[in-house]
Amino acid sequence: SQKIEQNSEALNIQEGKTATLTCNYTNYSPAYLQWYRQDPGRGPVFLLLIRENEKEKRKERLKVTFDTTLKQSLFHITASQPADSATYLCALTSGTYKYIFGTGTRLKVLA
Amino acid sequence: NAGVTQTPKFQVLKTGQSMTLQCAQDMNHEYMSWYRQDPGMGLRLIHYSVGAGITDQGEVPNGYNVSRSTTEDFPLRLLSAAPSQTSVYFCASSYTGGAGELFFGEGSRLTVL
Repeated sequence: SQKIEQNSEALNIQEGKTATLTCNYTNYSPAYLQWYRQDPGRGPVFLLLIRENEKEKRKERLKVTFDTTLKQSLFHITASQPADSATYLCALTSGTYKYIFGTGTRLKVLA
Repeated sequence: NAGVTQTPKFQVLKTGQSMTLQCAQDMNHEYMSWYRQDPGMGLRLIHYSVGAGITDQGEVPNGYNVSRSTTEDFPLRLLSAAPSQTSVYFCASSYTGGAGELFFGEGSRLTVL
């Protein structure tokens, strides 16, 4: 069955460092991969989308890579700030109407 | 813009009761969907709709019913609540679906006793 894995353990990093989150998937050939941010008690908020034929996408301090051979996406936040503390979700879609979400990784940026 | 609005935010039900979670969006999105979020399980798709009059099942549709009579509204009905349906429910919409970014509501926390 289709499976998405994100590191379930919280990631603690020091302010100013680069945070790197991982999203691995199996038994799936996604056409699109998305990253969302979710704060406690709130709905997820869209951050970035990357297509299967794109290797890398950037938006301000965010960078996403997509390796369809390794079946992996990396999500980087450079110059991290305490305000970046949240849970980050990856989502896959093959272009149909069914989005598949990972369980999310909780990031805590320490001041 | 209000975006995606869900009501109620909190609800407690007894086993066997029925209720409807409301979802409305004001962005003229054709695609709307319902997810449930449980600890360690991530977001799981319950039902989705690609336009008025068109609905389809997601990953975990049992015990839930939906309809889409207008572009704006996509209610989720629990027919006979069970403790296993205790969860946080999110409604999400997208202009296109399939690849478009999802806009989520703030969630509805449901407890079934």
